[in-house]
Amino acid sequence: QVQLQQWGAGLLKPSETLSLTCAVYGGSFSNYYWSWIRQSPGKGLEWVGGVSHSGSTNYNPSLKSRVTISINTSKNQFSLKLNSVTAADTAVYYCARGGDIVVEVGATLHRPFDHWGQGTLVTASS
Amino acid sequence: DIQMTQSPSTLSASVGDRVTITCRASQTISSYLAWYQQKPGKATKLLIYRASSLDTGVPSRFSGSGSGTEFTLTISSLQPDDLATYYCQQYYNYPITFGQGTRLEIK
Repeated sequence: QVQLQQWGAGLLKPSETLSLTCAVYGGSFSNYYWSWIRQSPGKGLEWVGGVSHSGSTNYNPSLKSRVTISINTSKNQFSLKLNSVTAADTAVYYCARGGDIVVEVGATLHRPFDHWGQGTLVTASS
Repeated sequence: DIQMTQSPSTLSASVGDRVTITCRASQTISSYLAWYQQKPGKATKLLIYRASSLDTGVPSRFSGSGSGTEFTLTISSLQPDDLATYYCQQYYNYPITFGQGTRLEIK
């Protein structure tokens, strides 16, 4: 049974860096893509970005300049860093399995998010 | 970005009712459409993927249909446990985008 357990600081001041980690238990870690999604009352669900087992990343253009997603295959973990947070970054952040989209001749892959973490509320406030 | 529009935003129905939620994409997404169920305090659950495929363990009263830009999620006989918010999501191309959600209330 696949379980995603996430943690990180829940209260930040504006301009600080958000840092969250997600550990994956059960199932295969290397055969999947791993994503971060956030949810705020004002914007609903928003895909932040994702990372493959090899470390290849994709980011939402709306956040790309401030986001870094990395992977630690030895620990079956992946992490999110978001720089220079503002009140607009206040949201519940979820880690999830899936979100890979590959469109190449002879190799097409589209996978939804089939397992989610419980979510971490991150508040950016002075 | 592909915009996903769900309707209605809120739906109130009785146990046993047939319930339908609609999702429209701003451009074609083939069949790369997923439906999720979200309940407070619980992990978000994948219900339907590829527009009409039921994920493992999802009750058969849930079904999905559509392709291109128009999609529906149907609950054939509403149960008390179905009280939740439902989201559609396209995974045709990046950035992945979600609908704004449909809150389902039980009368």
